[in-house]
Amino acid sequence: EPEVTQTPSHQVTQMGQEVILRCVPISNHLYFYWYRQILGQKVEFLVSFYNNEISEKSEIFDDQFSVERPDGSNFTLKIRSTKLEDSAMYFCASSEVRVGKPQHFGDGTRLSIL
Amino acid sequence: DAKTTQPPSMDCAEGRAANLPCNHSTISGNEYVYWYRQIHSQGPQYIIHGLKNNETNEMASLIITEDRKSSTLILPHATLRDTAVYYCIVRVEGGSNYKLTFGKGTLLTVNP
Repeated sequence: EPEVTQTPSHQVTQMGQEVILRCVPISNHLYFYWYRQILGQKVEFLVSFYNNEISEKSEIFDDQFSVERPDGSNFTLKIRSTKLEDSAMYFCASSEVRVGKPQHFGDGTRLSIL
Repeated sequence: DAKTTQPPSMDCAEGRAANLPCNHSTISGNEYVYWYRQIHSQGPQYIIHGLKNNETNEMASLIITEDRKSSTLILPHATLRDTAVYYCIVRVEGGSNYKLTFGKGTLLTVNP
């Protein structure tokens, strides 16, 4: 069964450094999403992306964050200058269409900021 | 999106059916009910979804009451690997809403 893949599985970065999290969505999917989960807390929506532009973003997704689909298969989340509070699991998801179809999630990247 | 209420935890014996309830009394006509689960900080795994009819797939069954104010996820023969946090999510389809809003879910523990 096709799945969303994320790399790396664990990323350790110094505070203030830039980090790029990578995702390969399911191949025929058109909608892409990033969520995060701080340890012990709820899964939180960050951003959705369709047709090469952001379609919805949360308050968490400030100017430090950006997303890109650099080619036909990858979808990336960049954090420009990481803070300690950015430490979390980051999940990528994709869906075939937006209405009436589920989002499928990858297994996440654990981001640790030192 | 309508708010959902789930019990914080439930137990189930291995091999028995697990019935997980969800209350969504403020649901509106264009909102689907989605169920996901999360096994120990892995990514949320899609289980099933429905609008108003009962649904069944290879993983589970979803029973939605006629007034749509509540639903039950049924795992017919629970195994130890079904131990997870189960999330019931109600989502407006269409418009400018793209996100899934996760609550705290129900921690289902399947016991041997």
